[in-house]
Amino acid sequence: EDKVVQSPLSLVVHEGDTVTLNCSYEVTNFRSLLWYKQEKKAPTFLFMLTSSGIEKKSGRLSSILDKKELFSILNITATQTGDSAIYLCAVEAANFGNEKLTFGTGTRLTIIP
Amino acid sequence: DSGVTQTPKHLITATGQRVTLRCSPRSGDLSVYWYQQSLDQGLQFLIHYYNGEERAKGNILERFSAQQFPDLHSELNLSSLELGDSALYFCASRVGLAAYNEQFFGPGTRLTVL
Repeated sequence: EDKVVQSPLSLVVHEGDTVTLNCSYEVTNFRSLLWYKQEKKAPTFLFMLTSSGIEKKSGRLSSILDKKELFSILNITATQTGDSAIYLCAVEAANFGNEKLTFGTGTRLTIIP
Repeated sequence: DSGVTQTPKHLITATGQRVTLRCSPRSGDLSVYWYQQSLDQGLQFLIHYYNGEERAKGNILERFSAQQFPDLHSELNLSSLELGDSALYFCASRVGLAAYNEQFFGPGTRLTVL
């Protein structure tokens, strides 16, 4: 069974700090790893990673994938209160044309002003 | 705004009842995915439709069914509802099936079963 584990479960830091969120996975027929940010309602897409070692960057957020060690990290630098959210990691696997996303339980990030 | 719409926003119903949740994908997207998010389970994949055909099934109960219509909108039918079915139900759409196409999530339908 496909499995995605995120750590930590919860993180509280002060504004301006840098945080690293972790995601490890065990899936058959890996296709991609995705990071989403979930505030009040629907998850919003952050990054999609398919290749090892290539950092994806968007402003203060960046992410990298290690397909050998089966993990990814999401970094947020100079955190702001607006970064407070649940960050979800998901892995897409495709078994016999059966594409599906398996989500981790998320990391709840709280930024204190 | 992702471009994916879901109705209704909230639904309160009683145990044993049947409800239908509706999802309209982004214009041009052929794939629709349904997910259930409950407090203790996180986001769980339910089912995937592509261009009207069922493509993949996840942890979907037999009491639940879905379909995708010719205009590509999708409906998720939940019957014989139980208290444990209370959750947020999301649909997501995607252009096709390629790994480089991300999924865009709708705002969700919050179902409360009393």
